[in-house]
Amino acid sequence: NAGVTQTPKFRVLKTGQSMTLLCAQDMNHEYMYWYRQDPGMGLRLIHYSVGEGTTAKGEVPDGYNVSRLKKQNFLLGLESAAPSQTSVYFCASQEGGRFFSGYTFGSGTRLTVV
Amino acid sequence: GENVEQHPSTLSVQEGDSAVIKCTYSDSASNYFPWYKQELGKGPQLIIDIRSNVGEKKDQRIAVTLNKTAKHFSLHITETQPEDSAVYFCAARLNTGNQFYFGTGTSLTVIP
Repeated sequence: NAGVTQTPKFRVLKTGQSMTLLCAQDMNHEYMYWYRQDPGMGLRLIHYSVGEGTTAKGEVPDGYNVSRLKKQNFLLGLESAAPSQTSVYFCASQEGGRFFSGYTFGSGTRLTVV
Repeated sequence: GENVEQHPSTLSVQEGDSAVIKCTYSDSASNYFPWYKQELGKGPQLIIDIRSNVGEKKDQRIAVTLNKTAKHFSLHITETQPEDSAVYFCAARLNTGNQFYFGTGTSLTVIP
């Protein structure tokens, strides 16, 4: 049971380039989330999804887009990367309908934009 | 939304001593409070959680206490071991949704 898998684990982008981060979960969870983690700022929610075909904005959505075409996958896209998007990105999933359950996190993607 | 503050940002303890990390939250509508442990290079992992209708919960060497009136909750680790060294995050969830609001983290170092 792999849980939540994020690819890639590391990436260096030049300013203005685009990329997609992939999150895949094999637990049949309904809810999925993308967070970014920056020093001294904890985890901040970028976008989330409460089911296949649905997405919603979180706390810091600007510069990012997401898609949830399949229940098990949640993609995070950067259309035109900026140095301010240098961060560690975490995907998480959560079982639907269980309001008192925690997240299962992936191991993260470290992105550097130069 | 919710605002979660976490203290201290760094904590060093001798092996065998206790460690306490404190969080406060702003919205009285929060009803679920998980704690996560993040080891170097890994994603956060849930270690314990507490619901708003419970004042304390224990799991072996770790415990969480909740004071709803004061809107703060704490993580207690007893008999600390070097493998407890990690970054710990608290979080709070409003009763109106599934989104968690995280604290800024505490880097715990257990000195052998």
